[in-house]
Amino acid sequence: ETGVTQTPRHLVMGMTNKKSLKCEQHLGHNAMYWYKQSAKKPLELMFVYNFKEQTENNSVPSRFSPECPNSSHLFLHLHTLQPEDSALYLCASSQVMGQFYNEQFFGPGTRLTVL
Amino acid sequence: DAKTTQPPSMDCAEGRAANLPCNHSTISGNEYVYWYRQIHSQGPQYIIHGLKNNETNEMASLIITEDRKSSTLILPHATLRDTAVYYCIVPNSGGSNYKLTFGKGTLLTVNP
Repeated sequence: ETGVTQTPRHLVMGMTNKKSLKCEQHLGHNAMYWYKQSAKKPLELMFVYNFKEQTENNSVPSRFSPECPNSSHLFLHLHTLQPEDSALYLCASSQVMGQFYNEQFFGPGTRLTVL
Repeated sequence: DAKTTQPPSMDCAEGRAANLPCNHSTISGNEYVYWYRQIHSQGPQYIIHGLKNNETNEMASLIITEDRKSSTLILPHATLRDTAVYYCIVPNSGGSNYKLTFGKGTLLTVNP
C-alpha cells in the first residue's frame, strides 16, 4: 500500500448505529487530518493531529470522535449521526517541520450516507 | 489568512496549455501559495507551491507576479484527465499554516 488509504470507501448507517472510519498513511508523515465535504460545499477541516496530539478541533459536534493511536493511523468514530452528516470524509497527512506544515496528501475518502 | 479569488470555470482544448489565474492581493511576505486539484469524487491532490520565485515540477508550473498579489498555474499540455476543480490556497501564517481553506476553486474542463 502506498500513500494514504481509507476504509471503508462507502458506508451506509442508521442514526442509531456506531461505526468507525479508518485512515492509514504510508508516507512517514507526523501530522494527520480529517476533512468533511458535503454536497456542493467546500472542504471543511474537522480535526488535526500532530505527533498523535490533537491540535485542532474545528467546532465539530461530539458525535464525531477522532482517535490517533500513532502517527500512521487515524480513526473517526461515529455515533448517533444525523442525515445532514452524510458527506465525503477525507483523511490527509503531511510532514511537520518545526512550525511549518508541508503539503498535504489526501486519501480517496469515505462516502458516508446516514439514513 | 489571505483570501484568494479564482474564476469559477474555464475551458481548455486537449493538448493546449491551461493557464489558471488566482488573485491573492492580501498575501503577506511569508505566506506561500499552494495549488491543489480535486477530480470528481476523489480526494484533493497537491500540485505545487511557491513563495516568490516561479516553480516547476512534473505536473505544472507556477508563475507568481513580482508583487505576489497574483499567480498563474500552468498545465503545459492539458489532457482529458486534467479535468478537475483547481484550488489556489494561501494557508495561515504564524505557525498554523496547516489550515487549508478550500474555496470554490476553478472547474477546468479539458475538451477533446
